[in-house]
Amino acid sequence: DGGITQSPKYLFRKEGQNVTLSCEQNLNHDAMYWYRQDPGQGLRLIYYSQIVNDFQKGDIAEGYSVSREKKESFPLTVTSAQKNPTAFYLCASRTTGTINNEQFFGPGTRLTVL
Amino acid sequence: QKEVEQNSGPLSVPEGAIASLNCTYSDRVSQSFFWYRQYSGKSPELIMSIYSNGDKEDGRFTAQLNKASQYVSLLIRDSQPSDSATYLCAATPNTNAGKSTFGDGTTLTVKP
Repeated sequence: DGGITQSPKYLFRKEGQNVTLSCEQNLNHDAMYWYRQDPGQGLRLIYYSQIVNDFQKGDIAEGYSVSREKKESFPLTVTSAQKNPTAFYLCASRTTGTINNEQFFGPGTRLTVL
Repeated sequence: QKEVEQNSGPLSVPEGAIASLNCTYSDRVSQSFFWYRQYSGKSPELIMSIYSNGDKEDGRFTAQLNKASQYVSLLIRDSQPSDSATYLCAATPNTNAGKSTFGDGTTLTVKP
């Protein structure tokens, strides 16, 4: 089955800890994205990557970091600098080079700060 | 003003009725538009995409785009209780980055 997987589904973080959220896709998509969703809100872009070894900040990058060492993988680290990290985190991917630039989403990771 | 604005909702319709969801966008560079359905606690699922002015129909769903008015809508005919969800509108420029801007969503409840 082709798709996007995210792990873990639920994650609990203590104050001052860094945590890493996993995102893997086997769709052969070039571009990958990380969004944050707060209750009753839309999606806000954290980071995105169009190609391996390159990524750009989105609208709310402070307190987050990413890497893109492989086409299939785009992990997100929530650092201790992110003061209010409790949210639903969504990873998405899309192909590039066509006008059909729909993004497809993984199942999400729900992060809670204890 | 938000870049993508949707009906504040919530929207409630009886089963079998037509549900109408609206979205306006401010960036004229936007060329591609998407509607996603998001059930509570789940991730968004793409249900419609539209790229040119006019209507696009897929089953019970019809997307309408008017670029001159910067307006996108989604009509759901014969609404079912299973359509109860939050619907997100997204606008995307035709650049390689393809960064989509999402609205805050409209929550639809279809009452049996």
